[in-house]
Amino acid sequence: QSVLTQPPSVSGAPGQTVTIPCTGSSSNIGAAYDVNWYQQFPGKAPQLLIFANSHRPSGVPDRFSGSKSGTSASLAITGLQAEDEAEYYCHSYDSSLTTSVFGGGTKVTVL
Amino acid sequence: QVQLVQSGAEVKKPGASVKVSCKASGFIFTNHYMHWVRRAPGQGLEWMGIINPGADSTSSPQKFQDRVSMTWDTSTSTVYMELRRLTSEDTAVYFCARGLWNQRFSPFDYWGQGTLVTVSS
Repeated sequence: QSVLTQPPSVSGAPGQTVTIPCTGSSSNIGAAYDVNWYQQFPGKAPQLLIFANSHRPSGVPDRFSGSKSGTSASLAITGLQAEDEAEYYCHSYDSSLTTSVFGGGTKVTVL
Repeated sequence: QVQLVQSGAEVKKPGASVKVSCKASGFIFTNHYMHWVRRAPGQGLEWMGIINPGADSTSSPQKFQDRVSMTWDTSTSTVYMELRRLTSEDTAVYFCARGLWNQRFSPFDYWGQGTLVTVSS
């Protein structure tokens, strides 16, 4: 059971917008700790997609955006493309556990 | 360019130990914290600990504290993670990752390719 909660899967047609929620609690996201997002393709290492809630590393398309409010965060993918099919993970810090914590991952399927 | 190259896949019996290496290049090794993360089959990512080569310190969550050792060799810019008393639940892909910032909690901006550790009798 992951500390951060994500839906197992989301799907959308090419060109549509999908949003992946990440729900935490008062000891992690709600305690003002940043949220990061990673994209992982099968058999590959995760790649940093969004850091500090809403910042994109260089090279990440602006179709990807992140936001945070209260005890939750979300990743939006606008103009969905076939190449966006991957697993997406949110990541934050939990002050009760004193560890980095991840969501369980969300599989994005492009219909 | 920044690269993290990990050692190859391992198959271990229950109760044994495994040591995974991660060789860094393309950046000043002692200027960055390094982390270990694993992903078990059907599970999400799990943080295993942090190494600060520049300050000679390591830290890991309580879950792993009595079973994990994280070390490094500055001369070869290599970090190591040893996990002892393996069980089937330790079957996973293990990743090393570089911290973007030098603090306990940080985004991970570069990752190794992963090392599959299979624990089976």
